[in-house]
Amino acid sequence: LAKTTQPISMDSYEGQEVNITCSHNNIATNDYITWYQQFPSQGPRFIIQGYKTKVTNEVASLFIPADRKSSTLSLPRFSLSDTAVYYCLVGDGGVRTGGFKTIFGAGTRLFVKA
Amino acid sequence: EAGVAQSPRYKIIEKRQSVAFWCNPISGHATLYWYQQILGQGPKLLIQFQNNGVVDDSQLPKDRFSAERLKGVDSTLKIQPAKLEDSAVYLCASSLVSRGRPVGHSPLHFGNGTRLTVT
Repeated sequence: LAKTTQPISMDSYEGQEVNITCSHNNIATNDYITWYQQFPSQGPRFIIQGYKTKVTNEVASLFIPADRKSSTLSLPRFSLSDTAVYYCLVGDGGVRTGGFKTIFGAGTRLFVKA
Repeated sequence: EAGVAQSPRYKIIEKRQSVAFWCNPISGHATLYWYQQILGQGPKLLIQFQNNGVVDDSQLPKDRFSAERLKGVDSTLKIQPAKLEDSAVYLCASSLVSRGRPVGHSPLHFGNGTRLTVT
Protein backbone atom coordinates (compact mmCIF):
# COMPACT_ATOMS: atom_id res chain seq x y z
CA LEU A 1 0.00 0.00 0.00
CA ALA A 2 1.27 3.45 -0.89
CA LYS A 3 2.03 5.58 2.17
CA THR A 4 0.92 9.19 2.25
CA THR A 5 2.49 12.20 3.95
CA GLN A 6 0.64 15.44 4.57
CA PRO A 7 1.11 18.43 6.91
CA ILE A 8 -0.22 17.95 10.42
CA SER A 9 -1.97 21.32 10.43
CA MET A 10 -2.59 24.43 8.35
CA ASP A 11 -4.37 27.69 8.87
CA SER A 12 -5.83 30.26 6.50
CA TYR A 13 -7.82 33.44 6.44
CA GLU A 14 -11.43 33.19 5.44
CA GLY A 15 -12.04 33.89 1.78
CA GLN A 16 -8.61 32.70 0.68
CA GLU A 17 -7.79 29.67 -1.41
CA VAL A 18 -6.33 26.82 0.63
CA ASN A 19 -4.08 24.16 -0.85
CA ILE A 20 -3.16 20.98 1.02
CA THR A 21 -0.44 18.86 -0.56
CA CYS A 22 -0.08 15.14 -0.02
CA SER A 23 3.01 13.13 -0.93
CA HIS A 24 2.71 9.54 -2.12
CA ASN A 25 6.06 8.67 -3.65
CA ASN A 26 5.41 4.94 -4.09
CA ILE A 27 1.98 5.20 -5.67
CA ALA A 28 1.20 2.23 -7.90
CA THR A 29 -0.14 2.27 -11.43
CA ASN A 30 -3.62 1.16 -10.39
CA ASP A 31 -3.90 3.50 -7.39
CA TYR A 32 -6.44 6.29 -7.17
CA ILE A 33 -6.07 9.34 -4.87
CA THR A 34 -9.00 10.11 -2.60
CA TRP A 35 -9.59 12.90 -0.11
CA TYR A 36 -11.95 12.84 2.86
CA GLN A 37 -13.09 15.58 5.23
CA GLN A 38 -13.97 15.00 8.86
CA PHE A 39 -15.80 17.40 11.15
CA PRO A 40 -15.83 16.91 14.94
CA SER A 41 -18.23 14.22 16.12
CA GLN A 42 -18.84 12.99 12.57
CA GLY A 43 -17.44 10.26 10.36
CA PRO A 44 -15.17 11.19 7.44
CA ARG A 45 -16.95 12.39 4.31
CA PHE A 46 -15.76 11.78 0.74
CA ILE A 47 -14.70 15.01 -0.99
CA ILE A 48 -12.99 14.16 -4.26
CA GLN A 49 -11.10 11.44 -6.10
CA GLY A 50 -8.75 11.45 -9.05
CA TYR A 51 -6.26 9.43 -11.03
CA LYS A 52 -4.31 12.05 -12.95
CA THR A 53 -4.35 15.73 -14.07
CA LYS A 54 -7.18 17.76 -12.56
CA VAL A 55 -10.55 16.94 -11.12
CA THR A 56 -13.08 19.52 -9.98
CA ASN A 57 -16.43 19.25 -8.26
CA GLU A 58 -18.70 21.61 -6.38
CA VAL A 59 -16.59 21.35 -3.23
CA ALA A 60 -12.94 21.26 -4.27
CA SER A 61 -10.35 20.71 -6.96
CA LEU A 62 -7.69 18.03 -7.01
CA PHE A 63 -4.45 18.59 -8.89
CA ILE A 64 -2.26 15.60 -9.73
CA PRO A 65 1.05 16.09 -11.57
CA ALA A 66 2.18 13.77 -14.32
CA ASP A 67 4.39 11.65 -12.06
CA ARG A 68 1.49 11.21 -9.58
CA LYS A 69 3.89 11.27 -6.63
CA SER A 70 1.91 14.03 -4.97
CA SER A 71 -1.50 15.62 -5.12
CA THR A 72 -2.96 18.93 -4.00
CA LEU A 73 -6.44 19.48 -2.66
CA SER A 74 -7.64 23.01 -3.30
CA LEU A 75 -10.53 24.68 -1.48
CA PRO A 76 -11.33 27.80 -3.52
CA ARG A 77 -12.66 30.07 -0.78
CA PHE A 78 -11.90 28.94 2.73
CA SER A 79 -14.64 29.59 5.25
CA LEU A 80 -15.13 28.82 8.92
CA SER A 81 -17.38 25.92 7.91
CA ASP A 82 -14.39 24.28 6.18
CA THR A 83 -12.61 23.86 9.50
CA ALA A 84 -12.01 20.13 9.65
CA VAL A 85 -9.42 17.38 9.30
CA TYR A 86 -8.58 16.42 5.72
CA TYR A 87 -7.28 12.95 4.87
CA CYS A 88 -5.42 11.92 1.73
CA LEU A 89 -5.65 8.23 0.80
CA VAL A 90 -4.14 6.18 -1.98
CA GLY A 91 -5.42 2.77 -3.04
CA ASP A 92 -6.18 0.50 -5.94
CA GLY A 93 -9.69 -0.56 -5.03
CA GLY A 94 -8.51 -4.07 -4.37
CA VAL A 95 -8.01 -5.17 -7.96
CA ARG A 96 -4.87 -7.02 -6.96
CA THR A 97 -5.79 -7.95 -3.42
CA GLY A 98 -9.34 -9.08 -4.00
CA GLY A 99 -10.72 -6.45 -1.69
CA PHE A 100 -10.56 -2.77 -0.91
CA LYS A 101 -7.94 -1.64 1.60
CA THR A 102 -8.40 1.87 2.90
CA ILE A 103 -5.78 3.13 5.32
CA PHE A 104 -6.06 6.58 6.88
CA GLY A 105 -3.09 8.61 8.06
CA ALA A 106 -3.24 11.32 10.72
CA GLY A 107 -4.66 13.90 8.33
CA THR A 108 -4.26 17.68 8.10
CA ARG A 109 -6.10 19.86 10.59
CA LEU A 110 -7.30 22.96 8.79
CA PHE A 111 -8.46 25.93 10.83
CA VAL A 112 -9.11 29.65 10.56
CA LYS A 113 -6.23 32.02 11.06
CA ALA A 114 -6.97 34.58 13.75
CA GLU B 1 -30.43 7.71 0.05
CA ALA B 2 -30.28 6.82 3.71
CA GLY B 3 -26.80 6.93 5.17
CA VAL B 4 -24.91 4.43 7.30
CA ALA B 5 -26.70 3.98 10.61
CA GLN B 6 -24.87 3.20 13.83
CA SER B 7 -26.01 2.66 17.38
CA PRO B 8 -25.65 3.47 20.14
CA ARG B 9 -24.27 6.97 19.72
CA TYR B 10 -22.51 6.92 23.09
CA LYS B 11 -21.58 4.17 25.53
CA ILE B 12 -19.85 4.28 28.89
CA ILE B 13 -18.72 1.04 30.51
CA GLU B 14 -16.28 -0.11 33.13
CA LYS B 15 -13.15 -2.02 32.21
CA ARG B 16 -13.64 -5.78 31.86
CA GLN B 17 -17.27 -5.30 30.84
CA SER B 18 -18.60 -6.21 27.41
CA VAL B 19 -20.06 -3.93 24.76
CA ALA B 20 -21.53 -4.30 21.29
CA PHE B 21 -21.97 -1.84 18.45
CA TRP B 22 -24.39 -2.16 15.56
CA CYS B 23 -24.11 -0.93 11.99
CA ASN B 24 -26.60 -0.88 9.12
CA PRO B 25 -24.83 0.03 5.86
CA ILE B 26 -26.27 1.78 2.84
CA SER B 27 -28.58 -0.53 0.92
CA GLY B 28 -26.74 -2.44 -1.79
CA HIS B 29 -23.26 -1.78 -0.44
CA ALA B 30 -21.41 -5.07 -0.40
CA THR B 31 -18.33 -3.90 1.48
CA LEU B 32 -18.49 -2.96 5.16
CA TYR B 33 -15.69 -1.64 7.36
CA TRP B 34 -15.18 -1.10 11.07
CA TYR B 35 -12.68 1.55 12.12
CA GLN B 36 -11.40 2.62 15.52
CA GLN B 37 -10.56 6.31 15.92
CA ILE B 38 -8.67 7.39 18.99
CA LEU B 39 -8.85 11.09 19.82
CA GLY B 40 -6.45 13.10 17.66
CA GLN B 41 -5.65 10.23 15.29
CA GLY B 42 -6.92 9.07 11.94
CA PRO B 43 -9.32 6.11 11.72
CA LYS B 44 -7.63 2.72 12.05
CA LEU B 45 -9.13 -0.18 10.08
CA LEU B 46 -10.18 -3.06 12.33
CA ILE B 47 -12.03 -5.34 9.94
CA GLN B 48 -13.39 -5.33 6.42
CA PHE B 49 -16.20 -7.50 5.07
CA GLN B 50 -17.24 -8.15 1.51
CA ASN B 51 -20.80 -9.45 1.70
CA ASN B 52 -20.59 -11.77 4.72
CA GLY B 53 -16.96 -12.80 4.25
CA VAL B 54 -13.95 -11.25 5.99
CA VAL B 55 -11.49 -9.60 3.60
CA ASP B 56 -9.07 -8.16 6.17
CA ASP B 57 -8.99 -8.49 9.95
CA SER B 58 -5.24 -8.19 10.39
CA GLN B 59 -5.51 -5.30 12.85
CA LEU B 60 -8.41 -6.66 14.87
CA PRO B 61 -7.33 -7.65 18.44
CA LYS B 62 -8.94 -11.04 18.20
CA ASP B 63 -8.45 -11.93 21.84
CA ARG B 64 -11.09 -9.36 22.77
CA PHE B 65 -12.71 -8.02 19.61
CA SER B 66 -15.09 -9.88 17.35
CA ALA B 67 -17.28 -8.86 14.45
CA GLU B 68 -19.88 -10.55 12.30
CA ARG B 69 -22.01 -9.82 9.29
CA LEU B 70 -24.15 -12.91 9.10
CA LYS B 71 -26.54 -12.05 6.27
CA GLY B 72 -24.24 -9.73 4.41
CA VAL B 73 -26.11 -6.63 5.54
CA ASP B 74 -26.03 -5.48 9.19
CA SER B 75 -22.91 -5.94 11.25
CA THR B 76 -22.06 -6.11 14.94
CA LEU B 77 -18.71 -5.35 16.57
CA LYS B 78 -18.16 -6.67 20.07
CA ILE B 79 -15.50 -6.04 22.70
CA GLN B 80 -15.16 -8.53 25.54
CA PRO B 81 -13.62 -7.68 27.96
CA ALA B 82 -13.01 -3.97 27.43
CA LYS B 83 -9.79 -2.23 28.43
CA LEU B 84 -9.16 1.43 29.17
CA GLU B 85 -7.26 1.81 25.88
CA ASP B 86 -10.37 0.80 23.95
CA SER B 87 -11.85 4.24 24.62
CA ALA B 88 -12.38 5.63 21.13
CA VAL B 89 -14.95 6.31 18.46
CA TYR B 90 -15.94 3.22 16.51
CA LEU B 91 -16.85 4.07 12.94
CA CYS B 92 -18.68 1.91 10.46
CA ALA B 93 -18.43 2.55 6.73
CA SER B 94 -19.72 0.91 3.58
CA SER B 95 -18.94 1.07 -0.10
CA LEU B 96 -20.06 -0.33 -3.42
CA VAL B 97 -17.98 -2.96 -5.15
CA SER B 98 -16.83 -1.53 -8.47
CA ARG B 99 -17.88 -4.46 -10.59
CA GLY B 100 -16.85 -4.04 -14.19
CA ARG B 101 -14.56 -1.17 -13.33
CA PRO B 102 -10.97 -2.31 -13.92
CA VAL B 103 -9.33 -0.02 -11.38
CA GLY B 104 -10.43 2.47 -8.80
CA HIS B 105 -11.65 2.93 -5.31
CA SER B 106 -15.29 3.16 -4.37
CA PRO B 107 -15.64 6.00 -1.85
CA LEU B 108 -16.46 5.04 1.69
CA HIS B 109 -19.64 6.28 3.31
CA PHE B 110 -19.29 6.61 7.07
CA GLY B 111 -21.73 6.65 9.91
CA ASN B 112 -21.26 9.12 12.76
CA GLY B 113 -19.80 6.47 15.01
CA THR B 114 -20.21 5.24 18.55
CA ARG B 115 -18.16 7.02 21.18
CA LEU B 116 -17.00 4.47 23.74
CA THR B 117 -15.62 5.50 27.12
CA VAL B 118 -14.09 2.79 29.28
CA THR B 119 -13.60 3.78 32.93
